[in-house]
Amino acid sequence: GAGVSQSPSNKVTEKGKDVELRCDPISGHTALYWYRQSLGQGLEFLIYFQGNSAPDKSGLPSDRFSAERTGGSVSTLTIQRTQQEDSAVYLCASRPRRGGQETQYFGPGTRLLVL
Amino acid sequence: SQQGEEDPQALSIQEGENATMNCSYKTSINNLQWYRQNSGRGLVHLILIRSNEREKHSGRLRVTLDTSKKSSSLLITASRAADTASYFCATVSERGTSYGKLTFGQGTILTVHP
Repeated sequence: GAGVSQSPSNKVTEKGKDVELRCDPISGHTALYWYRQSLGQGLEFLIYFQGNSAPDKSGLPSDRFSAERTGGSVSTLTIQRTQQEDSAVYLCASRPRRGGQETQYFGPGTRLLVL
Repeated sequence: SQQGEEDPQALSIQEGENATMNCSYKTSINNLQWYRQNSGRGLVHLILIRSNEREKHSGRLRVTLDTSKKSSSLLITASRAADTASYFCATVSERGTSYGKLTFGQGTILTVHP
């Protein structure tokens, strides 16, 4: 089927505004991950969902960041009161949770620029 | 946080040559994976090697893993201009609560000249 999709592809916002980033995983993939890629920090894990619950939120950098997942499918990453250091590419990945299926399938990412 | 170092940071070669990239990591792992990224966007999975494996092949790719040295290498043989991309190693911790999350290296930028 279709791969992981993310929207928007690009987002420019002003400092202090809230933004929502969307991820549509591959159908049937129960595990979903958000990562962030920035020049200074490289590729970093943000949060992991299994179904609609998030047992690992350890990578969220501050309480301005939150994420939810509904219906075991679409996930939204919300950044409140954006700061310039939030500028990065936000990547979503999904995988089946069946044993041995460890390959993660990445979406094309959302490039966020905070002015 | 980054798992460790990849070297070289950048590699420039001619088409037909082999390209070798190295990755080091810090913690005990369940598996190590290599991903490719074009134009700073989505990553594509290339190959996975488990902690009890030492070498794995896939087409023109060969991966080795040395858990005693906590290091891995990716060899691309007979490189093509289309192989130009950034390559990242990523590890999955052996801890049961890792949930399969990936910890990435800093990446190697490979340029293959026609």
